[in-house]
Amino acid sequence: SQTIHQWPATLVQPVGSPLSLECTVEGTSNPNLYWYRQAAGRGLQLLFYSVGIGQISSEVPQNLSASRPQDRQFILSSKKLLLSDSGFYLCAWLSPGVRETQYFGPGTRLLVL
Amino acid sequence: AQSVTQLGSHVSVSEGALVLLRCNYSSSVPPYLFWYVQYPNQGLQLLLKYTSAATLVKGINGFEAEFKKSETSFHLTKPSAHMSDAAEYFCAVSRTGANNLFFGTGTRLTVIP
Repeated sequence: SQTIHQWPATLVQPVGSPLSLECTVEGTSNPNLYWYRQAAGRGLQLLFYSVGIGQISSEVPQNLSASRPQDRQFILSSKKLLLSDSGFYLCAWLSPGVRETQYFGPGTRLLVL
Repeated sequence: AQSVTQLGSHVSVSEGALVLLRCNYSSSVPPYLFWYVQYPNQGLQLLLKYTSAATLVKGINGFEAEFKKSETSFHLTKPSAHMSDAAEYFCAVSRTGANNLFFGTGTRLTVIP
């Protein structure tokens, strides 16, 4: 069966510090992968998605970047965090075929102080 | 373009009462529709989805939703609320399977004992 992991689970970082959040998927190959952000009191905002290694599509201009160095690894990064980067970050993968569905990881809660 | 409107950011029901969470969509083509549930500090879990088969879709935990094209709605219901149903619920729409999901802003369900 497929599983999706995210780490760390929680993170407190000072403004201006770098960021690296990791997402890995097991039990499937070359899935579409997604990064979402959920700010307090708001819905989910799609940040990036990837259809394969080295292929990243950005949905909104921001202080963040994404990379996909391996088939089942998706990384969200920032060189200098802003206060507005605080939120709950969710990674998801797409199960293909007739029953196509996005499945979400457990999330990382980021607090920028 | 697709969009989703969830009426009511907060809904409270008594334990044992009917749960009704509203979702209206906008789509230029027949949509795929999804309901996800999010428990505190967790990722999103798929409750159910509509993919142009039966208009009444049954999901997990006793939830179901009915696709009504004439009303452009996909409301989520459960006949009898349980304390464990307290969570945030998200409706999402896509016109291309589950690859490009547009999420509503969510409805927080509180169950009163």
